[in-house]
Formats: sequence, C-alpha cells, structure tokens
Amino acid sequence: RKEVEQDPGPFNVPEGATVAFNCTYSNSASQSFFWYRQDCRKEPKLLMSVYSSGNEDGRFTAQLNRASQYISLLIRDSKLSDSATYLCVVNMLTGGGNKLTFGTGTQLKVEL
Amino acid sequence: ETGVTQTPRHLVMGMTNKKSLKCEQHLGHNAMYWYKQSAKKPLELMFVYSLEERVENNSVPSRFSPECPNSSHLFLHLHTLQPEDSALYLCASSQDWTGAQPQHFGDGTRLSIL
Repeated sequence: RKEVEQDPGPFNVPEGATVAFNCTYSNSASQSFFWYRQDCRKEPKLLMSVYSSGNEDGRFTAQLNRASQYISLLIRDSKLSDSATYLCVVNMLTGGGNKLTFGTGTQLKVEL
Repeated sequence: ETGVTQTPRHLVMGMTNKKSLKCEQHLGHNAMYWYKQSAKKPLELMFVYSLEERVENNSVPSRFSPECPNSSHLFLHLHTLQPEDSALYLCASSQDWTGAQPQHFGDGTRLSIL
C-alpha cells in the first residue's frame, strides 16, 4: 500500500459544480496534513492545512478522518481557475525522524 | 510573489558538466529542502537542512551534493549526471523541520541532461 494515495483523475467538472477529493494515508502516526495546489509546470503552493476539527477557507473545506486514515478536500462553486493538480501531503513521525510525503496528486479540470 | 527564489529557472547540461542550483529564502525560516519532481511521479525529498545542518539524506546518488552555507541559502551541486536525472528540482523552506508547519516552494529549476 502506498504511504499516501490519491486518485490521479482527471476530474472533469462544469463550472459551478462541487467536487471532492480524498487522500488516504497508511501510517496511523501521521501528525500533520496539508493540501497543496500545483499548476502545470509550476511549483506547489500551499492551499490549506488540515486540522482535526476540519477547516474552511472560502469555497474550500478540508476534513480529516483519523479513524479511516484519510483527508478530504471539497471545492464548492468551481471556477475555471481552480483547474490544477491538488497534492495531498502527510507528515509522519518515524523512527528516523519526520517524514513529509507527497501524494501523486489529483488533476482537476473545470470546464465551461 | 514568492519568498523562495531559485536560479537558474532552466538548465541544460551534458553528462560531463558541473553546475550548481541556487536557492534563497527570504522568510526567516530555519529549514530548507531539495525535492526532485519527475513526470507522473510524486515529489521526492532529496535533502533536508535545519539551521545549516543536514538532517536528512534520502539515499540520493553522490552526483548530487548539497551545500547550506547559512539558513537563507541552499545549493545543489551537480556533476556527472545521467539522463534520468532530468526533472524539475524544487527548493522549499519552512519554519522548522518538524513538519508541523507547511513548506513554501520556489519556482524550481527545470533540468535537462543531454
């Protein structure tokens, strides 16, 4: 099982739609969780941290489910500019120290 | 606008060349990182520095040699690279290396090995 697993997509959705991505992680000792956004041929940019209680930032909502070991990202009222790859990032404390692991990303395409 | 700057943005080099990638962060962070991103693969962590000390080296070939002269600057020295080393090399920084704080990335250097 991969340490951090995401559906690569692409998710093709019409403008205005609501779309959700999940990301599963294998290490129950994982400590911190983030969603990053990466546009084509650009660097990853932090979208939001994921807190245990869940958090919301405008049209974006992140949730953490420790029991089932996944995090989710919900995007409401999708915009064309939301088209990008969304990377799930999990930090876990291992015997060798902290290990920040990136998923391969989920590609989102928002269409007219 | 990014607080992490990388140079050069693009680099083409032969397998026998020696070159260096440079990264500078203006965020007052204490940890810096080098990542490799190949097509269709997740980001691969190469090196981690905390307060100029290397704290992690993920089995990276010796043809990649990092250098961290101070907490704001990070270099990646390249020599005798292979075609499979062609990738996007990303530098990042964070407040500390515990992983509790998010990382901020530079624009990356797109490296092509001929």
